[in-house]
Amino acid sequence: KNEVEQSPQNLTAQEGEFITINCSYSVGISALHWLQQHPGGGIVSLFMLSSGKKKHGRLIATINIQEKHSSLHITASHPRDSAVYICAAWKGSNYKLTFGKGTLLTVNP
Amino acid sequence: DAGVIQSPRHEVTEMGQEVTLRCKPISGHDYLFWYRQTMMRGLELLIYFNNNVPIDDSGMPEDRFSAKMPNASFSTLKIQPSEPRDSAVYFCASSSSSYEQYFGPGTRLTVT
Repeated sequence: KNEVEQSPQNLTAQEGEFITINCSYSVGISALHWLQQHPGGGIVSLFMLSSGKKKHGRLIATINIQEKHSSLHITASHPRDSAVYICAAWKGSNYKLTFGKGTLLTVNP
Repeated sequence: DAGVIQSPRHEVTEMGQEVTLRCKPISGHDYLFWYRQTMMRGLELLIYFNNNVPIDDSGMPEDRFSAKMPNASFSTLKIQPSEPRDSAVYFCASSSSSYEQYFGPGTRLTVT
């Protein structure tokens, strides 16, 4: 079993829908990262959070340390949100990140 | 700032050849990471440096892989000899003490 599990693996939505991507981890962490990878490959860091909630535009990330679970929400989804979303756990003892396999999101117009 | 710079962006080589991937981190960042991404295994950390010193190379697959960071603005990842199973996208990322990592555009390596 991977230390970081994401669900769903694939997600198709219609423009305007509310999107939720989930990430569960089995180890103690200091922080969790959410990354976005567009077709063509570039990886962008969206959030790094260790507690509570963070919001940036239409993106919201939450984390529950006790339950070892994080969610990434996209409100009013748009086709340009189509990408792979990856969560990564940072244990804090070093700078190593452990990655989930990613969620492929496709938003249709 | 130009961000993390990687070269080449694409590399096609034959099995047995030496491959060298290059990375220039963001100026002022003291951590540099090399990752490999494949369909089967996703993103994996190969090695990371702090202040040009390798800290953890436990992700380096085998002796055919080596990485160096001769100065704060340059790092290389070398594969010698290359094999078809090394085909992947290799990312370099850099970070400062803020822990957020900034990724380069990646090098897509194809070994035939």
